[in-house]
Amino acid sequence: EVQLVESGGGLVQPGRSLKLSCAASGFTFSDYAMAWVRQAPKKGLEWVATIIYDGSSTYYRDSVKGRFTISRDNAKSTLYLQMDSLRSEDTATYYCARHHSSYPNWFAYWGQGTLVTVSS
Amino acid sequence: NIVMTQSPKSMSISVGDRVTMNCKASQNVGNNIAWYQQKPGQSPKLLIYYASNRYTGVPDRFTGGGYGTDFTLTINSVQAEDAAFYYCQRIYNSPWTFGGGTKLELK
Repeated sequence: EVQLVESGGGLVQPGRSLKLSCAASGFTFSDYAMAWVRQAPKKGLEWVATIIYDGSSTYYRDSVKGRFTISRDNAKSTLYLQMDSLRSEDTATYYCARHHSSYPNWFAYWGQGTLVTVSS
Repeated sequence: NIVMTQSPKSMSISVGDRVTMNCKASQNVGNNIAWYQQKPGQSPKLLIYYASNRYTGVPDRFTGGGYGTDFTLTINSVQAEDAAFYYCQRIYNSPWTFGGGTKLELK
């Protein structure tokens, strides 16, 4: 059974950093592109970042470029999101999601999410 | 960037009715669209990919259609458990943009 378990969320002050993790199991992690998708309270889904199967290519939405870094450790079957210079508008539940294949397309599996609150 | 626009924003339907919701892309995306269902307090679930392919385990009352810029998700004989938000998404090339969602409520 595919499982994606996010951790690392919490309350953080504006301008500070936070690192999210996503532990994957139930599939060969190194075969799949992975992503982070967020959802602000009472709002819709917003794709944040994607990394292909071997980590050689990454993609970001414009509003997080230069502030967020997506990475993966295939030996540990873990996905990360380093979030720096956080802003109030980054407040959201962050979902780890698995793309359907090695390269990005649709999201076949989602974690339960971890809440990040950016506030002073 | 391609913008995905969903309509209507919400709809109230009776059990057993047929419902169709729309997703419009600002540019031609071919059949590169997916649909997701998100129930309150839950993470999204994949329903449809490549515009009309039903994902494993999705009931056949869910049907996706369309090509180019205009897409539809139809639910035949809506069930109580179908009350949820539905999102379309462009699935080819960055950014993998979602539509704003359609909220389906049951009367």
